[in-house]
Amino acid sequence: DAGVIQSPRHEVTEMGQEVTLRCKPISGHDYLFWYRQTMMRGLELLIYFNNNVPIDDSGMPEDRFSAKMPNASFSTLKIQPSEPRDSAVYFCASSPPDRVHNEQFFGPGTRLTVL
Amino acid sequence: QQQVKQSPKSLIVQKGGISIINCAYENTAFDYFPWYQQFPGKGPALLIAIRPDVSEKKEGRFTISFNKSAKQFSLHIMDSQPGDSATYFCAASKAAGNKLTFGGGTRVLVKP
Repeated sequence: DAGVIQSPRHEVTEMGQEVTLRCKPISGHDYLFWYRQTMMRGLELLIYFNNNVPIDDSGMPEDRFSAKMPNASFSTLKIQPSEPRDSAVYFCASSPPDRVHNEQFFGPGTRLTVL
Repeated sequence: QQQVKQSPKSLIVQKGGISIINCAYENTAFDYFPWYQQFPGKGPALLIAIRPDVSEKKEGRFTISFNKSAKQFSLHIMDSQPGDSATYFCAASKAAGNKLTFGGGTRVLVKP
């Protein structure tokens, strides 16, 4: 089975440009999470969805960030306009309906560099 | 507000030694405590997890010890191997949802 798929794996852009990160969760999973990882701040939860509905977006840094989940197999995280401080590795993770184990399955991440 | 504090930030251990990583939490509503392992260039992956109804859980060379009254839990890596060199994250969540709060991470280096 394919795991969580993220694209692109690497993105280099210039300040002010729009950036869109994509995620395909594992089939059958009903939770989807977006994280940001930096050396300074560690692993931060940005937003998560349950059954395609945003549940908690309190971690979204500011209005420049937005996330959507139009269907169960696809989600996007958009940054517009991008800034150098947005440079980080962005992870998408999904979780199955099994509430006993609560395991999150992470994708390989997208390394974003904003020049 | 950092709800899960992890220490140390880095750790060097000799092959065959024991690695110990500690975490402390504040929110008494947390009832699920996983540890994730992350290799360079990869996403974190679940290593082992515990619920507060037990004080210890062991899977192979990895053991979680849990102290509910102290609101602390730790990961012990026995007989550490160079392949264990990775960053380890503790985390915590409440029963009602799958949202995980992660600790700051510990970079472990096992020297051959």
